[in-house]
Amino acid sequence: ETGVTQSPTHLIKTRGQQVTLRCSSQSGHNTVSWYQQALGQGPQFIFQYYREEENGRGNFPPRFSGLQFPNYSSELNVNALELDDSALYLCASSSINSPLHFGNGTRLTVT
Amino acid sequence: GQNIDQPTEMTATEGAIVQINCTYQTSGFNGLFWYQQHAGEAPTFLSYNVLDGLEEKGRFSSFLSRSKGYSYLLLKELQMKDSASYLCAVRDGLGDYKLSFGAGTTVTVRA
Repeated sequence: ETGVTQSPTHLIKTRGQQVTLRCSSQSGHNTVSWYQQALGQGPQFIFQYYREEENGRGNFPPRFSGLQFPNYSSELNVNALELDDSALYLCASSSINSPLHFGNGTRLTVT
Repeated sequence: GQNIDQPTEMTATEGAIVQINCTYQTSGFNGLFWYQQHAGEAPTFLSYNVLDGLEEKGRFSSFLSRSKGYSYLLLKELQMKDSASYLCAVRDGLGDYKLSFGAGTTVTVRA
């Protein structure tokens, strides 16, 4: 069973730039969620995708957007990066009656 | 909004028992989860409670009281590898898998 994989593991960007993070779901899972985890905090829900459509969103501005592909992989895009966007970005996949399974995350640093 | 509280840090001795409390006030309730997160790694699923009572899984047990908005995670026969952050999370919706997380409790196991 292949787990959730994310790329890249680390990324450094400059304020104002755009970034794309990628995630491959665990096999058999059709739902993907993205979370932002600041240092010393719990993960914060960004949004969730099911059947290639967003079906839940947290308190994040529209410059955070995403995609889910037919193979259930996903992307998180962040435009106009701000310093406060520096965090660990976690992707999690799930299916009905299964808990969230998280990837190891992408550590984004905005300078 | 969602409010999930848990202690910031706990220290215990190898072989001992530690209980991590979590209280929550959320707009809805559809289950409470506990995750373990080692530094630099993905959160991994430990337990799930949706009905009142105790769920036991080996050395780990979790308890839920919905009327009190309260849960605890009990770690028995502590091992050094149990040193990690423990995250309490509430699922408050039915249509999505949004989890609201507490900030996490860092448990340090000492020899």
